Amino acid sequence: DVKVTQSSRYLVKRTGEKVFLECVQDMDHENMFWYRQDPGLGLRLIYFSYDVKMKEKGDIPEGYSVSREKKERFSLILESASTNQTSMYLCASTQGADQPQHFGDGTRLSIL
Amino acid sequence: QKEVEQNSGPLSVPEGAIASLNCTYSDRGSQSFFWYRQYSGKSPELIMFIYSNGDKEDGRFTAQLNKASQYVSLLIRDSQPSDSATYLCAARRNDYKLSFGAGTTVTVRA
Repeated sequence: DVKVTQSSRYLVKRTGEKVFLECVQDMDHENMFWYRQDPGLGLRLIYFSYDVKMKEKGDIPEGYSVSREKKERFSLILESASTNQTSMYLCASTQGADQPQHFGDGTRLSIL
Repeated sequence: QKEVEQNSGPLSVPEGAIASLNCTYSDRGSQSFFWYRQYSGKSPELIMFIYSNGDKEDGRFTAQLNKASQYVSLLIRDSQPSDSATYLCAARRNDYKLSFGAGTTVTVRA
């Protein structure tokens, strides 16, 4: 089974802090994704990566950046956290574009 | 227009009944479709995926795809209380990203 592990289940940070969310997958998948999920809005893609050191913006990249230095690890960075970034953040990975995405357990982030 | 739309729900069905979930998509180039189940406070887990027109069955679940009508559905037969969850429909866009619907919440009454 694919295992996607997110470093924290719950995280509380303060406005203006730099926040790092980490995600690791154990299946040697090429593609990794970061989403946020908000009530009534569904999952929205923030960034994705199709290879080491490669990244592409998703639908809502503003205020975020990412890093992929190793194939198994994909990090989401909130450069200067704001209260409107309070959300559930989900990491996913997949081997190919037509293959299902497998999700981590999610990180519920609160920005105070 | 949202790229993927699902019937808003919530959908309440008695135990043992069939739950029918509907999804439409706007990108005619979409080729792959996925259904995920998400329990409250948990992450989405894959139930089924479908690429070809017609029906695909897996246990109590059947996915149906009609590309001409841009319509995907999920049937849950013999619904159980453990099927109570939010179901997410997703379509792969031409740029290889997934678009998700907002989800339909299903409650199975014992």
